[in-house]
Amino acid sequence: AQSVTQLDSHVSVSEGTPVLLRCNYSSSYSPSLFWYVQHPNKGLQLLLKYTSAATLVKGINGFEAEFKKSETSFHLTKPSAHMSDAAEYFCVVSGNTGRRALTFGSGTRLQVQP
Amino acid sequence: GAGVSQSPSNKVTEKGKDVELRCDPISGHTALYWYRQRLGQGLEFLIYFQGNSAPDKSGLPSDRFSAERTGESVSTLTIQRTQQEDSAVYLCASSPRTGTLNQPQHFGDGTRLSIL
Repeated sequence: AQSVTQLDSHVSVSEGTPVLLRCNYSSSYSPSLFWYVQHPNKGLQLLLKYTSAATLVKGINGFEAEFKKSETSFHLTKPSAHMSDAAEYFCVVSGNTGRRALTFGSGTRLQVQP
Repeated sequence: GAGVSQSPSNKVTEKGKDVELRCDPISGHTALYWYRQRLGQGLEFLIYFQGNSAPDKSGLPSDRFSAERTGESVSTLTIQRTQQEDSAVYLCASSPRTGTLNQPQHFGDGTRLSIL
């Protein structure tokens, strides 16, 4: 079985300050991990993915995430928030060979204050 | 259009009616997935297609829900005798292949279903 826990349902930051969105996972297999972003009334867009290569993964729009096996974490960070980053972010795990679908966290809503 | 296309974008219907939701995946993508997203929640897996067959239907919440795929392309999700708890955004995704699980999925914009 696999699961994902996003530790914060809402995060609010000021424009230009760092962003940290926290994610912990559990998986019986070596997981692949993803972060997706969802803007209002839109589908999900892939930000980045981890697939057992480098533990620090760089994605689009300046986001990156670090895979820490010892902590079973895959936190998403960005050095400087932009107003356009305001959206819902989902941490996702894929690793159960018996199911082809992804397991989604409950999401973190990021607000960026001017 | 190179992306996943879903129609309609919005659907409002009365309780008890049947609805059909359509998904056009990216051309050549063999895997297709349906998810449900209730307000303020993450995505729930419903069903997955490999080609035209559905090896994993484990997420379908009841026998009122069914889906099919034809021509290894278009998929239709059908909800019969809709209930108010069916109100949600239904998202479709496709990926090139399922040989590995690290293939990212490409999502459509979803169909927002509202049951009155």
